[in-house]
Amino acid sequence: SQQGEEDPQALSIQEGENATMNCSYKTSINNLQWYRQNSGRGLVHLILIRSNEREKHSGRLRVTLDTSKKSSSLLITASRAADTASYFCATYRGSTLGRLYFGRGTQLTVWP
Amino acid sequence: EPEVTQTPSHQVTQMGQEVILRCVPISNHLYFYWYRQILGQKVEFLVSFYNNEISEKSEIFDDQFSVERPDGSNFTLKIRSTKLEDSAMYFCASSKDRGGETQYFGPGTRLLVL
Repeated sequence: SQQGEEDPQALSIQEGENATMNCSYKTSINNLQWYRQNSGRGLVHLILIRSNEREKHSGRLRVTLDTSKKSSSLLITASRAADTASYFCATYRGSTLGRLYFGRGTQLTVWP
Repeated sequence: EPEVTQTPSHQVTQMGQEVILRCVPISNHLYFYWYRQILGQKVEFLVSFYNNEISEKSEIFDDQFSVERPDGSNFTLKIRSTKLEDSAMYFCASSKDRGGETQYFGPGTRLLVL
């Protein structure tokens, strides 16, 4: 099935360091989205990158997409303790009305 | 900033009981979704809804589930006869444009079936 898979499953860094999370998927996509989830809370949309885009920036976030490798990465620069959360990639194939396929997520912990 | 709201935030029910989870999507959005997340597992798609009808449903969304938009603002998910395995966090989402664009998620309803 077409699902995102993130790695690492868990990442622990110090404030100020950069955090890189990766996502792989299995089939062709229309776009790929990254979401953030604070513990036990809802999902917050971070960034969307389309299949014809290779890189996108939003504030301290940088997302890349390599459709040939079916992979994406999310880079958070100069991380803060408040960035501590789970990060999920979700893919949209384009042929259905909005169904997103989520990965298992990366749990990021940023230590002060 | 407009946001999706969900009620209740927590619901505890007995197996076999009916539950209705409520959502108020963002007002100018046209596409509505339900997802669920069993503890420790992936977020899974349940159903999408547009123009007052189901657009797509997953294999999880069996006859025990139904969705409704009873008025111009609410979007509900009903589970007719809950099972233990229905225990999960249920998220409602909405999007302004055709599916696949940014979906805005609510805070979720944590359902516990005993």
